[in-house]
Amino acid sequence: QSALTQPASVSGSPGQSITISCTGTSSDVGGYNYVSWYQQHPGKAPKLMIYDVSNRPSGVSNRFSGSKSGNTASLTISGLQAEDEADYYCSSYTSSSRGVFGTGTKVTVL
Amino acid sequence: QVQLVQSGAEVKKPGASVKVSCKASGYTFTSYGISWVRQAPGQGLEWMGWISAYNGNTNYAQKLQGRVTMTTDTSTSTAYMELRSLRSDDTAVYYCARVGPDLTIFGVVIIRGFDYWGQGTLVTVSS
Repeated sequence: QSALTQPASVSGSPGQSITISCTGTSSDVGGYNYVSWYQQHPGKAPKLMIYDVSNRPSGVSNRFSGSKSGNTASLTISGLQAEDEADYYCSSYTSSSRGVFGTGTKVTVL
Repeated sequence: QVQLVQSGAEVKKPGASVKVSCKASGYTFTSYGISWVRQAPGQGLEWMGWISAYNGNTNYAQKLQGRVTMTTDTSTSTAYMELRSLRSDDTAVYYCARVGPDLTIFGVVIIRGFDYWGQGTLVTVSS
């Protein structure tokens, strides 16, 4: 199972919106509405930000939103803040009942 | 509150085995699956496998088949991950994570997300 493809880095100024893509195949992202997104600050465990493509867990800011079209899922962060600077990973359920993560994206707030 | 507390750091020689524990609290242990995820230094997240805490069913990443075993002890709400024949490229932080929201179909854990994570356990493989 190959990792899902994400851009290595994305940057934006405070207040702007950015979008991170996550491209897979019909055997993972495109085949199921079980895409999730994680935020990871240096030295910390990942934190769930989005599950089931577009659902936010309780306590996660509504500045974070998710969507999917075909084999590509996206995470949008609106009203970018300094605290959003972190690594972001997507993940998907797969046709072999396994999981797979994306390659990761470093978000920089300029 | 939900907590996953992992065992401490380990240093192992190549060819040895390591067993990492993950003690859960704050929820009904058998109602959720547990996944293990690792992260090599400076690298991304790698999914290793899941175990159903309800019936012990497992599913491992293909590249780890034959070297990894995941188990649970429901009497202590603890999950374990054992990795054998360690190599230097197994050096990583190992995380346990609860698979949630929960969804199991015919004994198969459906990964909708990983909603709670342990603090991580650094395993260093070095001669």
